[in-house]
Amino acid sequence: SQELEQSPQSLIVQEGKNLTINCTSSKTLYGLYWYKQKYGEGLIFLMMLQKGGEEKSHEKITAKLDEKKQQSSLHITASQPSHAGIYLCGADMRESGTSYGKLTFGQGTILTVHP
Amino acid sequence: DGGITQSPKYLFRKEGQNVTLSCEQNLNHDAMYWYRQDPGQGLRLIYYSQIVNDFQKGDIAEGYSVSREKKESFPLTVTSAQKNPTAFYLCASSWGGANTEAFFGQGTRLTVV
Repeated sequence: SQELEQSPQSLIVQEGKNLTINCTSSKTLYGLYWYKQKYGEGLIFLMMLQKGGEEKSHEKITAKLDEKKQQSSLHITASQPSHAGIYLCGADMRESGTSYGKLTFGQGTILTVHP
Repeated sequence: DGGITQSPKYLFRKEGQNVTLSCEQNLNHDAMYWYRQDPGQGLRLIYYSQIVNDFQKGDIAEGYSVSREKKESFPLTVTSAQKNPTAFYLCASSWGGANTEAFFGQGTRLTVV
């Protein structure tokens, strides 16, 4: 099973609608990263969350990390066709006591925005 | 401009051949990573390196090899032992340590013909 679960796997919305993508872990997350990817291209960094309860926004995208640091959500307000792509959450899931963390990724959410 | 460069963008390999994917960064990052991406599976870590002349296996290292002779370079060799090599390969780099975001290259799509 996936260590980091994203939902939904795909999402189709009409332009102007709000949407939310979730990322859930069974373990405490030491850092949670959101990336966006256009098909066949590299990942573009969106935001990083570290502290429980933290919330960050950039333009129309807001990301939150819950108090227990086991779930994050990415919310897009008034979606536009330019928001279309694959959204991936990545997490530092290192074992307690270690200082180095590799990123583990969710399976991605494919977002389509119809004009 | 600083960044991370992967080459080539597309690569075709015959069965039984080894092939090497290039990854170069000029960000002065200590850590570098190789990921494999398959449809519906997100990214899976193949190898990573925290420092020159040192690297560690990731979750799916079998059939792959790497070297880290220079700080800016982390080439990945896909060997003939890799049973299902057709995939999209992504290289990334970061400052290393906790809570530092990774910067990604544009990827190499490898197809076995």
